[in-house]
Amino acid sequence: KNQVEQSPQSLIILEGKNCTLQCNYTVSPFSNLRWYKQDTGRGPVSLTIMTFSENTKSNGRYTATLDADTKQSSLHITASQLSDSASYICTNTDKLIFGTGTRLQVFP
Amino acid sequence: NAGVTQTPKFQVLKTGQSMTLQCAQDMNHEYMSWYRQDPGMGLRLIHYSVGAGITDQGEVPNGYNVSRSTTEDFPLRLLSAAPSQTSVYFCASSYRRTSGALSSYNEQFFGPGTRLTVL
Repeated sequence: KNQVEQSPQSLIILEGKNCTLQCNYTVSPFSNLRWYKQDTGRGPVSLTIMTFSENTKSNGRYTATLDADTKQSSLHITASQLSDSASYICTNTDKLIFGTGTRLQVFP
Repeated sequence: NAGVTQTPKFQVLKTGQSMTLQCAQDMNHEYMSWYRQDPGMGLRLIHYSVGAGITDQGEVPNGYNVSRSTTEDFPLRLLSAAPSQTSVYFCASSYRRTSGALSSYNEQFFGPGTRLTVL
């Protein structure tokens, strides 16, 4: 069964700290994987797209990695800010299967 | 550009009532879709459209109807609301729907959502 699973479900960190969110997928064949950020009460917004040939991609303080062999992707947030508080969702772009998301809360 | 707009923002219905959730986009996107988002579950596809006059069912279509008479608009109709349809509904659009390696172009642009409660 094609699935996208994320961990942890929720995460609380202090402002300025780093964190890593995980996404495991069993979608086959693999196409591409996209990370979205969803602020409370709003629709998801794309952060980055990872294609099969890419291992690492950065977008400011966000760095996404992809290991096609283990079918894992991660989103690393550096020097977290209060505005990073949101849910982060990964999705297979071909079949549009969305993970359940990780809810990140950053406290001062 | 307004992007993807949805109305209403909030709605409360009684069981058995019908209503239409509105969605519009001004980006000339071919592909539009409706999702529902429930606690502890990922976004689930209800219906989608690859162009005006063409619609198809997604993962959870029962109880919902759609039509696409123009490129810009994609309304979602609840025929007879049930408490199980209490959810947050998101409309999304993308330039087109591609598969495989080209699916990297499938960036979905989401509306702000409609929070629906069915009593």
